[in-house]
Amino acid sequence: DAMVIQNPRYQVTQFGKPVTLSCSQTLNHNVMYWYQQKSSQAPKLLFHYYDKDFNNEADTPDNFQSRRPNTSFCFLDIRSPGLGDAAMYLCATSREFGSAEAFFGQGTRLTVV
Amino acid sequence: GESVGLHLPTLSVQEGDNSIINCAYSNSASDYFIWYKQESGKGPQFIIDIRSNMDKRQGQRVTVLLNKTVKHLSLQIAATQPGDSAVYFCAVTKGGSYIPTFGRGTSLIVHP
Repeated sequence: DAMVIQNPRYQVTQFGKPVTLSCSQTLNHNVMYWYQQKSSQAPKLLFHYYDKDFNNEADTPDNFQSRRPNTSFCFLDIRSPGLGDAAMYLCATSREFGSAEAFFGQGTRLTVV
Repeated sequence: GESVGLHLPTLSVQEGDNSIINCAYSNSASDYFIWYKQESGKGPQFIIDIRSNMDKRQGQRVTVLLNKTVKHLSLQIAATQPGDSAVYFCAVTKGGSYIPTFGRGTSLIVHP
């Protein structure tokens, strides 16, 4: 059974049109991560939550925002998607920072047209 | 800062052979290491991990070796199968940072 669920699996959005990607988890993990992965590249961390504490990576563009209304759900908002934002977006959870494996969702493939 | 690299972008092996995928890291304070497998169109999947107080750990058909002296980690897959074809990432975590840094990935291609 899927433990980290991302919706939708594929998202097409127009240039400049806000888009929201969602992630839910059934593991009750404290930590949730959002990664961006472009073709043939490693996942790049955008931000993470420890419970409700939000941590933004220094090089994450302001165009990317996140919300975590409760333990189970986390959202990635892209305010004005550009062509360069087309990528796979991966949500992951872990029980604690660093000391436990991260469980990844299947990802959302974002296309910007 | 942390940099994590993989020695080869692509590794081709014959079915049944053993595969070895390598990873080098730069920060000697790194203390937790994870290997992930990512199949096409899917999220990374945990394979095996190792902490810095160990130099070897074995799982089912997989072994991770850690050499802290040269800051090198490897993943060995025994009797490689076509289902092992995927991109393999090492991820490295440093105490205090707690955020895993992913290496570039090695694409493993298994020929029947």
